[in-house]
Amino acid sequence: EADIYQTPRYLVIGTGKKITLECSQTMGHDKMYWYQQDPGMELHLIHYSYGVNSTEKGDLSSESTVSRIRTEHFPLTLESARPSHTSQYLCASRLGTDHRAFFGQGTRLTVV
Amino acid sequence: EDQVTQSPEALRLQEGESSSLNCSYTVSGLRGLFWYRQDPGKGPEFLFTLYSAGEEKEKERLKATLTKKESFLHITAPKPEDSATYLCAVQDFGNEKLTFGTGTRLTIIP
Repeated sequence: EADIYQTPRYLVIGTGKKITLECSQTMGHDKMYWYQQDPGMELHLIHYSYGVNSTEKGDLSSESTVSRIRTEHFPLTLESARPSHTSQYLCASRLGTDHRAFFGQGTRLTVV
Repeated sequence: EDQVTQSPEALRLQEGESSSLNCSYTVSGLRGLFWYRQDPGKGPEFLFTLYSAGEEKEKERLKATLTKKESFLHITAPKPEDSATYLCAVQDFGNEKLTFGTGTRLTIIP
């Protein structure tokens, strides 16, 4: 079973608030990812990281930012939440030599 | 641009009734094709990776196969606990992202 954890699982927050979604993995994986998934829709990559101090934007435009100060930790921040940010956010990781990506349980964000 | 199309969108089967899910893909150079299972409200759970046409992988009641244009996930004698959404994804060389399909929502009726 994959050891990748996301908190919180569910979050309801007001417009304009700053939020940080946490993602941690204990597998020593170098590569980490954030995907966004709306109900019934495909997952879209919004950020990824090759390792410490490395971050890149994915294909889907996102107003969020990420950081990778430690190998095991890849938090995602929204400076000012809007209703359009309502979605499920999924964190994933993999070892560079292994193509399998392992996902966390997700954070379901609702901005009211 | 990589594309993944899954069919059918939803499938209802009686317990024990075998069937197949389809994943059609276009990719410039296939690094790998992945199958995941996703339960409601949870993250995708890794099932299989396939790398080249002709390859097959099996796990319990599931078997995944790959051709140059599509992959099939065969489910033999399914049980209610196999009910989930099954996602297909591809990755091409030189690209970090996985391109996902929208999934097939499978329901097994006892």
